[in-house]
Amino acid sequence: RKEVEQDPGPFNVPEGATVAFNCTYSNSASQSFFWYRQDCRKEPKLLMSVYSSGNEDGRFTAQLNRASQYISLLIRDSKLSDSATYLCAVNTGFQKLVFGTGTRLLVSP
Amino acid sequence: DTAVSQTPKYLVTQMGNDKSIKCEQNLGHDTMYWYKQDSKKFLKIMFSYNNKELIINETVPNRFSPKSPDKAHLNLHINSLELGDSAVYFCASSPDHSSNQPQHFGDGTRLSIL
Repeated sequence: RKEVEQDPGPFNVPEGATVAFNCTYSNSASQSFFWYRQDCRKEPKLLMSVYSSGNEDGRFTAQLNRASQYISLLIRDSKLSDSATYLCAVNTGFQKLVFGTGTRLLVSP
Repeated sequence: DTAVSQTPKYLVTQMGNDKSIKCEQNLGHDTMYWYKQDSKKFLKIMFSYNNKELIINETVPNRFSPKSPDKAHLNLHINSLELGDSAVYFCASSPDHSSNQPQHFGDGTRLSIL
């Protein structure tokens, strides 16, 4: 089993749609969790950290479920500019980030 | 203004050569990292250094040798380059190696081995 797993997609959604991605992790001792966004041929950029209580930043909401060992990302009112690959990252200790393979999102007009 | 900067952006070289990639961060962070993203887009950590001290050393061939002259710089030297080394190499930094602060990435070095 991979340490961090994501559905690679692509998720094809129309503008304005709500879309959700999940990411599961195998190491129950994992300490912190993040969503990064990566555009084609660019560096990963931090989208948001994921807290136990859940957190929201504008149209983006992240949730952590430690019991089931998954994190989620919800995007409301999708924009064309949201098209990218979304990488789940899990800190397994000493800032060793383990990344999922990414979920590709395509938002169409 | 660039927070984490890598040079060069592109590196095309022949198999068997030795090459170096440089990384510098101006964020005042203590910890720096090297990641490799292969052709399947899988991003994997290689090394981390905290204030010039090696913290993480994943199962990377010993042809790869990181060097940290000070906490703002982490360079990666690769000996005897092989075809499989073709990838994008990202440098990253974070405030330290023990808190849960996120890491910030440089814009990558695209290495192509001919």
